[in-house]
Amino acid sequence: GDSVTQMEGPVTLSEEAFLTINCTYTATGYPSLFWYVQYPGEGLQLLLKATKADDKGSNKGFEATYRKETTSFHLEKGSVQVSDSAVYFCALEDSSYKLIFGSGTRLLVRP
Amino acid sequence: DADVTQTPRNRITKTGKRIMLECSQTKGHDRMYWYRQDPGLGLRLIYYSFDVKDINKGEISDGYSVSRQAQAKFSLSLESAIPNQTALYFCATSDPDRESEAFFGQGTRLTVV
Repeated sequence: GDSVTQMEGPVTLSEEAFLTINCTYTATGYPSLFWYVQYPGEGLQLLLKATKADDKGSNKGFEATYRKETTSFHLEKGSVQVSDSAVYFCALEDSSYKLIFGSGTRLLVRP
Repeated sequence: DADVTQTPRNRITKTGKRIMLECSQTKGHDRMYWYRQDPGLGLRLIYYSFDVKDINKGEISDGYSVSRQAQAKFSLSLESAIPNQTALYFCATSDPDRESEAFFGQGTRLTVV
């Protein structure tokens, strides 16, 4: 079945550092891809999405590009802030319209 | 008011007890989901429903059942709770007109002792 693999955390960075969280997927066809963020004590919320190859999703300074050649959707941000500390989930929508999530990556940004 | 509301937010129950987690939404979406979150395992799908008459098992449905009482309500039951069902449970809806963007409740933290 379809699956998502993302880098294990925690990832610890200093404020203003560059962030990359790797995500790769296995799927039939070309699924829509998502990054969700979970702040402490809250549910998940959509951060960004891309629906076809070479699309770039972006939001709040975060970006991710849909790369079908490498089946990847890596999350990047040029300068992280303390407020970005959260758990980040990569996900895809499978052919049955279900969301399949990766295991999550915890990001801790230190002042 | 939240678009997706889960009750209760926290619950401690004993092994063998039946428990129901409730979810209601004001998004008007037909698609609803129940996920379970465990540390290091991400979110795993328990059940999902694409309309009132449509119920489907997810990857970890054993030990769980659901009821879709109306478009807006989707309940998850643990028929006989066991300790390894201790987890954080999330209800979600999705909108097929927005590339299936999902909207999550705040979660129910369930502890089975």
